[in-house]
Amino acid sequence: GAVVSQHPSRVICKSGTSVKIECRSLDFQATTMFWYRQFPKQSLMLMATSNEGSKATYEQGVEKDKFLINHASLTLSTLTVTSAHPEDSSFYICSAMTGANTEAFFGQGTRLTVV
Amino acid sequence: AQTVTQSQPEMSVQEAETVTLSCTYDTSESDYYLFWYKQPPSRQMILVIRQEAYKQQNATENRFSVNFQKAAKSFSLKISDSQLGDAAMYFCAYRSAQGAQKLVFGQGTRLTINP
Repeated sequence: GAVVSQHPSRVICKSGTSVKIECRSLDFQATTMFWYRQFPKQSLMLMATSNEGSKATYEQGVEKDKFLINHASLTLSTLTVTSAHPEDSSFYICSAMTGANTEAFFGQGTRLTVV
Repeated sequence: AQTVTQSQPEMSVQEAETVTLSCTYDTSESDYYLFWYKQPPSRQMILVIRQEAYKQQNATENRFSVNFQKAAKSFSLKISDSQLGDAAMYFCAYRSAQGAQKLVFGQGTRLTINP
């Protein structure tokens, strides 16, 4: 199957700083990428949908100015957590699709800890 | 909006036996996809099985099969000959066949395999 690589797998940052998480489709072009957040022992919560070359669509309640998403190419989407605070600590997962009604492939996730 | 409900937070089964995980969903759409994903301790999301709503035949993948009841909006997963490697969180997910391609996840069921 197709491979989605997420980097870094773990990151610790200080409160007030920004951190960038990358999601790359290694062997296919991803027209659409999704970013999820997962709290401990809970399900995946969709944060936003990004399509290459256009602005991301954020889910209700997700602060677009805090969670900046850029999908600049067909193989790369980035999530930047700006002015991070301890409550932003979580597991973030991306997924990518090649087109409509195709399978979604998931990255391995990034554990963010804000201290 | 579509919702997915998994009413079993935890399930356990003896190795080599069969277990069924339940999932119900709510939608007004007629064309959609349903999925079961597995999330092992590594937290990498793995697609287990996929069902297209227009197909009456239940999907099967080796030891994994589903019971898709469209009228009842039910989509259960049966794991036969359970193996220790099947231990994981299992998420049921819904995706519309039209418009936004985002996945809507259920709350998850933690499956334990007893040796």
